[in-house]
Amino acid sequence: EDQVTQSPEALRLQEGESSSLNCSYTVSGLRGLFWYRQDPGKGPEFLFTLYSAGEEKEKERLKATLTKKESFLHITAPKPEDSATYLCAAGGATSGTYKYIFGTGTRLKVLA
Amino acid sequence: KAGVTQTPRYLIKTRGQQVTLSCSPISGHRSVSWYQQTPGQGLQFLFEYFSETQRNKGNFPGRFSGRQFSNSRSEMNVSTLELGDSALYLCASSLYGTDSSGNTIYFGEGSWLTVV
Repeated sequence: EDQVTQSPEALRLQEGESSSLNCSYTVSGLRGLFWYRQDPGKGPEFLFTLYSAGEEKEKERLKATLTKKESFLHITAPKPEDSATYLCAAGGATSGTYKYIFGTGTRLKVLA
Repeated sequence: KAGVTQTPRYLIKTRGQQVTLSCSPISGHRSVSWYQQTPGQGLQFLFEYFSETQRNKGNFPGRFSGRQFSNSRSEMNVSTLELGDSALYLCASSLYGTDSSGNTIYFGEGSWLTVV
């Protein structure tokens, strides 16, 4: 069964305390692994798409990596403004059917 | 540039009614996709349109339908509303579609639907 699982569900960090968020996926015919940031009451903000194992992308304090089974979002020296829910999604296609499945997210709180 | 615009932002409907939500994508974007977000199920993909054709479809009942116009604006319709349809409905646009490489996906602020 196609599935995307994120861990931990919630994470509290002190400002400057680096950590990683995990996204495990079992999606056939992976077309892309997507990371989003969502603030309360707003639509998700696109961060990255990763397409193949070994790929890495960076944006400011965020770095996303991808293996054949999971993706990590590394947050280096986070600041309070990084507090948000981080969502990952996997898009895949088999036999002409496309699936786009989201994880339930990691709620990140960065304390000053 | 203007972002993805969704209307209405908030609405309340009665069980059994139908509702139509509208989405105006970023200028030049030909792909519009729709999502349902609830506390219990999280974000779920409804369907995607590209150049007026439905390109991909999630696992939702036929009560959920959509269409895209020649100017790329899209509408989503839910018929025979149920209490469980209460959710935030999000629309996103992109140049090439969610399954295309090198593509940035932009979400709107969403339409909050409450079914009573």
